[in-house]
Amino acid sequence: AQSVTQLGSHVSVSEGALVLLRCNYSSSVPPYLFWYVQYPNQGLQLLLKYTTGATLVKGINGFEAEFKKSETSFHLTKPSAHMSDAAEYFCAVNTYTGTASKLTFGTGTRLQVTL
Amino acid sequence: GAVVSQHPSRVICKSGTSVKIECRSLDFQATTMFWYRQFPKKSLMLMATSNEGSKATYEQGVEKDKFLINHASLTLSTLTVTSAHPEDSSFYICSARVGETQYFGPGTRLLVL
Repeated sequence: AQSVTQLGSHVSVSEGALVLLRCNYSSSVPPYLFWYVQYPNQGLQLLLKYTTGATLVKGINGFEAEFKKSETSFHLTKPSAHMSDAAEYFCAVNTYTGTASKLTFGTGTRLQVTL
Repeated sequence: GAVVSQHPSRVICKSGTSVKIECRSLDFQATTMFWYRQFPKKSLMLMATSNEGSKATYEQGVEKDKFLINHASLTLSTLTVTSAHPEDSSFYICSARVGETQYFGPGTRLLVL
């Protein structure tokens, strides 16, 4: 079975500082991993994804994530935080039941950016 | 590309009435769509998987007679909350799958009075 753990339900950084949001996964098969962002009262927007190939994945808005199989991690980073990055971030992994696949989400991390 | 819309964005209804929420893939066809429910400050809870031309697959604990799902075309899935009650008030989000990636709609806020 697949699962996702997001360490830290709330992360606060100063504007311009490094953003690091942690995600660890458990999967019995090679995982497909995703990061989504959710702004208040909106749906989820895909930031980036890892399926196969290059383990360092670049996404929108300057975010990137690195798939580390040995650490079962897929942490999200951004070199310099902007006020507009304040939102809820969800890590997710594809879960397979028979021939059907669906997403298993982490519990989310709320990013706060301060001046 | 991969834009998903939902309608309405918010709806208020009286207890006992039914509400229909539409989910559309605007620039692609989606054999599979998903319906989620999100409680305040919580993650998404998958309610059901909607498959075009066949019956939806509901997650454990979700009442299929209360949450009716229809996926009549490759670009439209609907969720009908029947005989809505205040405890059904929530944020409902749909997604459509392209390959292994899900693209999400903007969500529908349902308030049942």
